[in-house]
Amino acid sequence: GQNIDQPTEMTATEGAIVQINCTYQTSGFNGLFWYQQHAGEAPTFLSYNVLDGLEEKGRFSSFLSRSKGYSYLLLKELQMKDSASYLCAVRTASGGSYIPTFGRGTSLIVHP
Amino acid sequence: DGGITQSPKYLFRKEGQNVTLSCEQNLNHDAMYWYRQDPGQGLRLIYYSQIVNDFQKGDIAEGYSVSREKKESFPLTVTSAQKNPTAFYLCASSEGTDYSGNTIYFGEGSWLTVV
Repeated sequence: GQNIDQPTEMTATEGAIVQINCTYQTSGFNGLFWYQQHAGEAPTFLSYNVLDGLEEKGRFSSFLSRSKGYSYLLLKELQMKDSASYLCAVRTASGGSYIPTFGRGTSLIVHP
Repeated sequence: DGGITQSPKYLFRKEGQNVTLSCEQNLNHDAMYWYRQDPGQGLRLIYYSQIVNDFQKGDIAEGYSVSREKKESFPLTVTSAQKNPTAFYLCASSEGTDYSGNTIYFGEGSWLTVV
């Protein structure tokens, strides 16, 4: 089985930087995804990491350490529209298929 | 425009009824998925299909059924055997499941409420 942990809720100030952590325990690790989900809407893809290190994409960056079973999503220059749930998903290889398992998500509240 | 279309957006079901949620994609993706999301919970996999006429159970398949007669379509039936069906249902697709780096894209979701 897999165990994926994320904080339930975080708050931050507009213009600031916030780091959302995700830890996982799994076998057959084959990549980690971050998705953003606004209330009542579908998740949208943010980033993908399969090798150790930092992937930067505009205001968003994602980091992975496979040896530590750890990832974080870094959001810079926070905007009010960044208030959403952020889902960490771990992909594992099973019987030739690669299916992601999602964490419970972190609800980020950005205030003025 | 390419994408994944789910319908209906909102659906009410009476106790003991079966209901079917539609999912259509025009991305030419081989793999399709159904997830369920409850408040405060992550997405849980119900069923997935890697190719036409084939599908596999996910973590919470009991009380659900699917079919994959066409590449573009992967409808989900919520049967009366599903005791707690009220949830947000998400359909997704990806190019395939047999290689890594394969991003999953989601439809807009369907809200199912038992009345």
